[in-house]
Amino acid sequence: QFVLTQSPSASASLGASVKLTCTLSSGHSSYAIAWHQQQPEKGPRYLMKLNVDGSHSKGDGIPDRFSGSSSGTERYLTISSLQSEDEADYYCQTWGTDIVVFGGGTKLTVL
Amino acid sequence: EVQLVESGGGLVQPGRSLRLSCAASGFSFDDYAMHWVRQAPGKGLEWVSGISWNSVTIAYADSVKGRFTISRDNAKKFLYLQMNSLRAEDTALYYCVKVILISRGAVAGSFDYWGQGTLVTVSS
Repeated sequence: QFVLTQSPSASASLGASVKLTCTLSSGHSSYAIAWHQQQPEKGPRYLMKLNVDGSHSKGDGIPDRFSGSSSGTERYLTISSLQSEDEADYYCQTWGTDIVVFGGGTKLTVL
Repeated sequence: EVQLVESGGGLVQPGRSLRLSCAASGFSFDDYAMHWVRQAPGKGLEWVSGISWNSVTIAYADSVKGRFTISRDNAKKFLYLQMNSLRAEDTALYYCVKVILISRGAVAGSFDYWGQGTLVTVSS
Protein backbone atom coordinates (compact mmCIF):
# COMPACT_ATOMS: atom_id res chain seq x y z
CA GLN A 1 0.00 0.00 0.00
CA PHE A 2 1.26 3.42 -0.97
CA VAL A 3 1.50 5.41 2.26
CA LEU A 4 3.39 8.45 3.53
CA THR A 5 3.90 8.67 7.28
CA GLN A 6 4.54 11.91 9.19
CA SER A 7 4.73 12.64 12.89
CA PRO A 8 1.62 14.60 13.94
CA SER A 9 3.55 17.33 15.71
CA ALA A 10 6.96 18.92 16.19
CA SER A 11 8.29 21.93 18.03
CA ALA A 12 11.44 24.00 18.11
CA SER A 13 12.56 27.35 19.44
CA LEU A 14 12.68 30.61 17.57
CA GLY A 15 16.02 30.85 15.72
CA ALA A 16 16.74 27.14 16.02
CA SER A 17 16.55 24.42 13.36
CA VAL A 18 14.07 21.61 12.95
CA LYS A 19 14.03 18.52 10.75
CA LEU A 20 10.69 17.08 9.72
CA THR A 21 10.43 13.52 8.42
CA CYS A 22 8.23 11.90 5.80
CA THR A 23 8.53 8.11 5.47
CA LEU A 24 7.58 6.28 2.30
CA SER A 25 5.99 2.86 2.60
CA SER A 26 8.09 -0.23 2.01
CA GLY A 27 8.87 -0.78 -1.66
CA HIS A 28 8.63 2.89 -2.54
CA SER A 29 12.15 4.04 -1.64
CA SER A 30 12.80 5.35 -5.17
CA TYR A 31 9.97 7.86 -5.15
CA ALA A 32 10.37 11.61 -5.13
CA ILE A 33 8.12 13.69 -2.93
CA ALA A 34 7.04 17.30 -2.58
CA TRP A 35 6.77 19.36 0.59
CA HIS A 36 3.95 21.84 1.12
CA GLN A 37 3.40 24.37 3.90
CA GLN A 38 -0.01 25.46 5.18
CA GLN A 39 0.00 28.43 7.53
CA PRO A 40 -3.04 28.92 9.79
CA GLU A 41 -6.19 29.87 7.88
CA LYS A 42 -4.36 29.84 4.55
CA GLY A 43 -4.18 27.54 1.53
CA PRO A 44 -1.20 25.24 1.03
CA ARG A 45 1.99 26.55 -0.52
CA TYR A 46 4.52 24.49 -2.45
CA LEU A 47 7.96 24.45 -0.85
CA MET A 48 10.01 22.00 -2.91
CA LYS A 49 10.22 18.82 -4.88
CA LEU A 50 12.68 16.41 -3.25
CA ASN A 51 14.31 13.63 -5.26
CA VAL A 52 15.61 10.28 -4.00
CA ASP A 53 19.22 11.50 -4.27
CA GLY A 54 18.46 14.50 -2.05
CA SER A 55 18.49 17.06 -4.84
CA HIS A 56 15.60 19.46 -4.63
CA SER A 57 14.00 22.31 -6.52
CA LYS A 58 12.21 24.97 -4.54
CA GLY A 59 9.15 26.99 -5.33
CA ASP A 60 9.13 30.68 -6.13
CA GLY A 61 10.27 32.82 -3.23
CA ILE A 62 11.07 29.98 -0.84
CA PRO A 63 13.93 31.13 1.41
CA ASP A 64 17.28 29.36 1.63
CA ARG A 65 16.35 28.44 5.22
CA PHE A 66 14.28 25.62 3.78
CA SER A 67 16.19 22.59 2.51
CA GLY A 68 15.54 18.93 1.80
CA SER A 69 17.42 15.65 2.03
CA SER A 70 16.77 11.94 1.54
CA SER A 71 17.89 8.64 3.04
CA GLY A 72 16.32 5.33 2.02
CA THR A 73 12.58 5.63 2.49
CA GLU A 74 12.93 8.83 4.53
CA ARG A 75 12.51 12.30 3.12
CA TYR A 76 13.39 15.29 5.25
CA LEU A 77 12.54 18.95 5.40
CA THR A 78 14.96 21.07 7.40
CA ILE A 79 14.05 24.59 8.42
CA SER A 80 16.88 26.64 9.89
CA SER A 81 16.76 29.97 11.74
CA LEU A 82 13.13 29.34 12.64
CA GLN A 83 10.83 32.32 12.45
CA SER A 84 7.36 32.77 13.88
CA GLU A 85 5.79 32.55 10.43
CA ASP A 86 7.19 29.04 10.02
CA GLU A 87 4.57 27.84 12.50
CA ALA A 88 2.36 25.85 10.17
CA ASP A 89 1.27 22.42 9.02
CA TYR A 90 3.70 20.67 6.70
CA TYR A 91 2.53 18.01 4.27
CA CYS A 92 4.51 15.66 2.09
CA GLN A 93 3.07 14.46 -1.20
CA THR A 94 4.04 11.75 -3.62
CA TRP A 95 2.55 10.24 -6.73
CA GLY A 96 2.34 7.14 -8.88
CA THR A 97 1.07 6.59 -12.40
CA ASP A 98 -2.51 7.46 -11.59
CA ILE A 99 -2.55 8.27 -7.91
CA VAL A 100 -1.47 11.04 -5.59
CA VAL A 101 -0.82 10.46 -1.89
CA PHE A 102 -0.45 12.90 0.99
CA GLY A 103 1.05 12.32 4.37
CA GLY A 104 -1.07 13.13 7.39
CA GLY A 105 0.83 16.35 8.02
CA THR A 106 3.08 17.62 10.81
CA LYS A 107 2.00 20.58 12.91
CA LEU A 108 5.10 22.64 13.68
CA THR A 109 5.03 24.87 16.74
CA VAL A 110 7.67 27.58 17.08
CA LEU A 111 8.36 28.17 20.77
CA GLU B 1 2.00 35.24 -12.04
CA VAL B 2 0.20 31.91 -11.77
CA GLN B 3 -3.34 32.29 -10.47
CA LEU B 4 -5.93 29.60 -9.78
CA VAL B 5 -9.35 30.86 -8.72
CA GLU B 6 -11.99 28.36 -7.65
CA SER B 7 -15.72 28.98 -7.60
CA GLY B 8 -18.98 27.09 -7.37
CA GLY B 9 -18.92 25.95 -3.77
CA GLY B 10 -21.86 26.28 -1.42
CA LEU B 11 -24.38 24.52 0.77
CA VAL B 12 -26.05 21.52 -0.84
CA GLN B 13 -28.29 18.73 0.44
CA PRO B 14 -27.10 15.12 0.53
CA GLY B 15 -27.69 13.35 -2.76
CA ARG B 16 -27.64 16.55 -4.81
CA SER B 17 -25.04 17.80 -7.29
CA LEU B 18 -22.61 20.69 -7.54
CA ARG B 19 -20.11 21.81 -10.17
CA LEU B 20 -16.85 23.46 -9.20
CA SER B 21 -14.84 25.63 -11.58
CA CYS B 22 -11.25 26.80 -11.54
CA ALA B 23 -10.07 29.73 -13.67
CA ALA B 24 -6.37 29.52 -14.52
CA SER B 25 -4.09 32.33 -15.62
CA GLY B 26 -0.42 33.23 -15.76
CA PHE B 27 0.80 30.05 -17.41
CA SER B 28 0.24 27.95 -20.52
CA PHE B 29 -2.75 26.01 -19.17
CA ASP B 30 -2.81 23.40 -21.92
CA ASP B 31 0.74 22.28 -21.13
CA TYR B 32 -0.05 21.08 -17.63
CA ALA B 33 -1.95 18.36 -15.82
CA MET B 34 -4.36 19.69 -13.20
CA HIS B 35 -5.88 18.26 -10.02
CA TRP B 36 -8.45 18.77 -7.30
CA VAL B 37 -7.48 18.30 -3.66
CA ARG B 38 -9.83 18.71 -0.70
CA GLN B 39 -9.50 19.38 3.00
CA ALA B 40 -12.28 18.56 5.43
CA PRO B 41 -12.63 20.95 8.39
CA GLY B 42 -9.72 20.43 10.79
CA LYS B 43 -8.32 17.57 8.73
CA GLY B 44 -5.41 16.96 6.36
CA LEU B 45 -5.16 17.13 2.59
CA GLU B 46 -6.90 14.50 0.48
CA TRP B 47 -6.32 14.05 -3.24
CA VAL B 48 -9.57 13.91 -5.22
CA SER B 49 -8.87 13.72 -8.95
CA GLY B 50 -6.43 14.63 -11.71
CA ILE B 51 -6.53 15.16 -15.48
CA SER B 52 -3.75 15.24 -18.07
CA TRP B 53 -3.20 18.19 -20.38
CA ASN B 54 -5.30 16.68 -23.17
CA SER B 55 -7.93 14.99 -20.96
CA VAL B 56 -6.83 11.55 -22.15
CA THR B 57 -5.62 10.39 -18.74
CA ILE B 58 -7.93 10.88 -15.77
CA ALA B 59 -7.63 9.50 -12.26
CA TYR B 60 -9.87 9.52 -9.18
CA ALA B 61 -9.54 8.70 -5.52
CA ASP B 62 -11.57 5.63 -4.56
CA SER B 63 -13.71 7.80 -2.27
CA VAL B 64 -15.17 9.73 -5.22
CA LYS B 65 -14.92 7.27 -8.11
CA GLY B 66 -18.25 6.91 -9.89
CA ARG B 67 -19.67 10.08 -8.33
CA PHE B 68 -17.28 12.85 -9.39
CA THR B 69 -16.15 13.79 -12.91
CA ILE B 70 -13.16 15.98 -13.69
CA SER B 71 -12.89 17.87 -16.97
CA ARG B 72 -11.12 20.82 -18.52
CA ASP B 73 -11.55 23.39 -21.27
CA ASN B 74 -8.13 24.39 -22.56
CA ALA B 75 -9.49 27.13 -24.80
CA LYS B 76 -11.16 28.85 -21.84
CA LYS B 77 -8.40 27.85 -19.36
CA PHE B 78 -10.87 26.28 -16.95
CA LEU B 79 -10.80 23.14 -14.82
CA TYR B 80 -14.06 21.62 -13.56
CA LEU B 81 -15.27 19.10 -11.02
CA GLN B 82 -18.79 17.76 -11.38
CA MET B 83 -19.86 16.29 -8.06
CA ASN B 84 -22.94 14.05 -7.97
CA SER B 85 -24.60 12.06 -5.18
CA LEU B 86 -22.94 14.25 -2.58
CA ARG B 87 -22.50 12.95 0.94
CA ALA B 88 -21.85 14.63 4.27
CA GLU B 89 -18.27 13.34 4.15
CA ASP B 90 -17.66 15.35 0.96
CA THR B 91 -17.85 18.52 3.05
CA ALA B 92 -14.50 20.22 2.55
CA LEU B 93 -12.54 23.09 1.09
CA TYR B 94 -11.76 22.12 -2.49
CA TYR B 95 -8.48 23.29 -4.01
CA CYS B 96 -7.53 23.53 -7.67
CA VAL B 97 -3.89 22.53 -8.06
CA LYS B 98 -1.38 22.75 -10.88
CA VAL B 99 1.20 20.03 -11.53
CA ILE B 100 4.83 20.81 -12.23
CA LEU B 101 5.77 20.14 -15.87
CA ILE B 102 5.77 16.38 -16.44
CA SER B 103 5.76 14.06 -19.44
CA ARG B 104 2.86 14.79 -21.73
CA GLY B 105 0.97 11.56 -21.17
CA ALA B 106 1.18 11.62 -17.40
CA VAL B 107 -1.37 12.91 -14.95
CA ALA B 108 0.40 12.88 -11.59
CA GLY B 109 3.43 14.74 -10.33
CA SER B 110 4.57 17.31 -7.83
CA PHE B 111 2.03 20.07 -7.21
CA ASP B 112 3.52 23.54 -7.51
CA TYR B 113 0.64 26.01 -7.33
CA TRP B 114 -2.55 25.98 -5.28
CA GLY B 115 -5.71 28.03 -5.46
CA GLN B 116 -7.35 29.49 -2.35
CA GLY B 117 -10.16 26.94 -2.36
CA THR B 118 -13.93 26.91 -2.51
CA LEU B 119 -16.00 25.54 0.37
CA VAL B 120 -18.51 22.75 -0.21
CA THR B 121 -20.90 21.95 2.63
CA VAL B 122 -23.18 18.94 2.30
CA SER B 123 -25.95 19.08 4.86
CA SER B 124 -29.70 18.82 5.10
